[in-house]
Amino acid sequence: EAQVTQNPRYLITVTGKKLTVTCSQNMNHEYMSWYRQDPGLGLRQIYYSMNVEVTDKGDVPEGYKVSRKEKRNFPLILESPSPNQTSLYFCASSLRAYNSPLHFGNGTRLTVT
Amino acid sequence: EDKVVQSPLSLVVHEGDTVTLNCSYEVTNFRSLLWYKQEKKAPTFLFMLTSSGIEKKSGRLSSILDKKELSSILNITATQTGDSAIYLCAVEATSGTYKYIFGTGTRLKVLA
Repeated sequence: EAQVTQNPRYLITVTGKKLTVTCSQNMNHEYMSWYRQDPGLGLRQIYYSMNVEVTDKGDVPEGYKVSRKEKRNFPLILESPSPNQTSLYFCASSLRAYNSPLHFGNGTRLTVT
Repeated sequence: EDKVVQSPLSLVVHEGDTVTLNCSYEVTNFRSLLWYKQEKKAPTFLFMLTSSGIEKKSGRLSSILDKKELSSILNITATQTGDSAIYLCAVEATSGTYKYIFGTGTRLKVLA
């Protein structure tokens, strides 16, 4: 089944403890992206990747890192999480960067205390 | 600054009603507009509208892009309780970066 898989689905952590949210797609998509969704603010792009080893900042990249060493994987890294990073995170992928709909993972609800 | 605005913020209707959701945008280098439905988890893709495809229809759902007015509408006819969800509008812009700008969504509740 074609899908975008994120793990974990739920995560509670403490301020400053490094964490990684994994994202994998099995559709051979070139474009991958991370979003956070907050009430009243909608989905905001954190980072995106046009292809392997090509990443760029979205609208809210502060406090996050990404890497794209393989086409299928695009992990999101929070080196030192803070409470303002408590949010619902979505990974998404599309066949290419333009004129191609995004396919979303099921989301990761992160709470930082 | 690029932005996408959806209206209304929320809507409550009864089964069988017809609803129209609105999306307006101001972006640099418009490429496409997409509609998504979000229930409890991941947004699921409904339609993509471009300069070469300004009208789409699937069953009871249809959407039109008005490039002159920089807006789009999503129509749902004969609504059902299963249509209850948040409907998201996203615009693809390529002003030096490849990104999607999302509106905050319209929350639709359909009562039996």
